[in-house]
Amino acid sequence: AQSVTQLDSHVSVSEGTPVLLRCNYSSSYSPSLFWYVQHPNKGLQLLLKYTSAATLVKGINGFEAEFKKSETSFHLTKPSAHMSDAAEYFCVVSLYSSASKIIFGSGTRLSIRP
Amino acid sequence: EPEVTQTPSHQVTQMGQEVILRCVPISNHLYFYWYRQILGQKVEFLVSFYNNEISEKSEIFDDQFSVERPDGSNFTLKIRSTKLEDSAMYFCASSLRPRDGNSPLHFGNGTRLTVT
Repeated sequence: AQSVTQLDSHVSVSEGTPVLLRCNYSSSYSPSLFWYVQHPNKGLQLLLKYTSAATLVKGINGFEAEFKKSETSFHLTKPSAHMSDAAEYFCVVSLYSSASKIIFGSGTRLSIRP
Repeated sequence: EPEVTQTPSHQVTQMGQEVILRCVPISNHLYFYWYRQILGQKVEFLVSFYNNEISEKSEIFDDQFSVERPDGSNFTLKIRSTKLEDSAMYFCASSLRPRDGNSPLHFGNGTRLTVT
């Protein structure tokens, strides 16, 4: 069975400092992994995706994530947080065996302190 | 950039009433999905739809739910007799291909359904 775990429900950082949002997955197959962001009262916007090409993936708004198979992790990072990054972030796993049943993590709320 | 649009953004209905949530997927996409997010909980898969029929559905998607693509552009979710526990944010999504990580889901902004 596949699953995805976001290790922190809430992360708070100061503006201009690095961001780290952690995600671990469990999968019997080679997964595709995604990060989505949800701003208040908005839909889910794709930040970046991993699809078995380069293990370091760059996304929008300066975010990137590294796929580490040995650690079954896909952590999201950004070198310098901006106030507009405050949102809910979801790590998502998709398996070819059941592509419709895309599994969402429980989400991490990112707060940015001025 | 093309996007998935959902209407209405917020719907309030009384328990037992029927509601229809509407979505216009991205025009060249072939696969359509509904997800929901109860306040404070995970985003949950409801149903996927391809070639005018349901591909997969979750246990949440019981006989009270139905989906339809009535006119080649809209994709609707109907709840026949709403219950209080149906209150949630409902997201529509579409993708070009399902079995391809290069074809991620594109989500709409959601419809917040409140059942009173």
